[in-house]
Amino acid sequence: EAGVAQSPRYKIIEKRQSVAFWCNPISGHATLYWYQQILGQGPKLLIQFQNNGVVDDSQLPKDRFSAERLKGVDSTLKIQPAKLEDSAVYLCASSLAQVPDSYNEQFFGPGTRLTVL
Amino acid sequence: KNQVEQSPQSLIILEGKNCTLQCNYTVSPFSNLRWYKQDTGRGPVSLTIMTFSENTKSNGRYTATLDADTKQSSLHITASQLSDSASYICVVSEFSGGYNKLIFGAGTRLAVHP
Repeated sequence: EAGVAQSPRYKIIEKRQSVAFWCNPISGHATLYWYQQILGQGPKLLIQFQNNGVVDDSQLPKDRFSAERLKGVDSTLKIQPAKLEDSAVYLCASSLAQVPDSYNEQFFGPGTRLTVL
Repeated sequence: KNQVEQSPQSLIILEGKNCTLQCNYTVSPFSNLRWYKQDTGRGPVSLTIMTFSENTKSNGRYTATLDADTKQSSLHITASQLSDSASYICVVSEFSGGYNKLIFGAGTRLAVHP
């Protein structure tokens, strides 16, 4: 079974530029998550989708970050404009559960490492 | 505020030795607790998941314990190998608003030396 795919793996941009990340979850997984992981910290949830609807985006900086999951499969996360503090690894994860339950295991992609200069 | 605290922040051990990593949490309402292993440059991979009623779970050389009364968990690694060098992240699931929200600790960075 193929895992969660993410691209690009690395991205270097200047501040105030725009950037987009792409995620392809495991086939059949209804729930998709985007996390931000700053060096030395645990991942922080940015947004959670159930199929193509947003379940939780309370920690997404909506003035500069946006995400969409068209057709309930692939997802893109965009930052516009980027700031220095956005330098981090952006992880995508997916889980099978159609209805959130207590045991839905999340499978993570390899992440995209973003450096903002 | 829901928090997950891990200790130590980093740890160096010799190959073949055992070690124990600690996790304290204040998450409520509690749903489950997970331990993940994250190799450098990779996404986290699940090691164990425990619900409120489970107080120990093993996965090969990894054994996790949970004390829901004191809100503490530990991850014990037996006979460490060089490949165990990674960050170990404790994650507590909060059941709120009809779905589970994961609260991540900062991780313990383990280095196993030959």
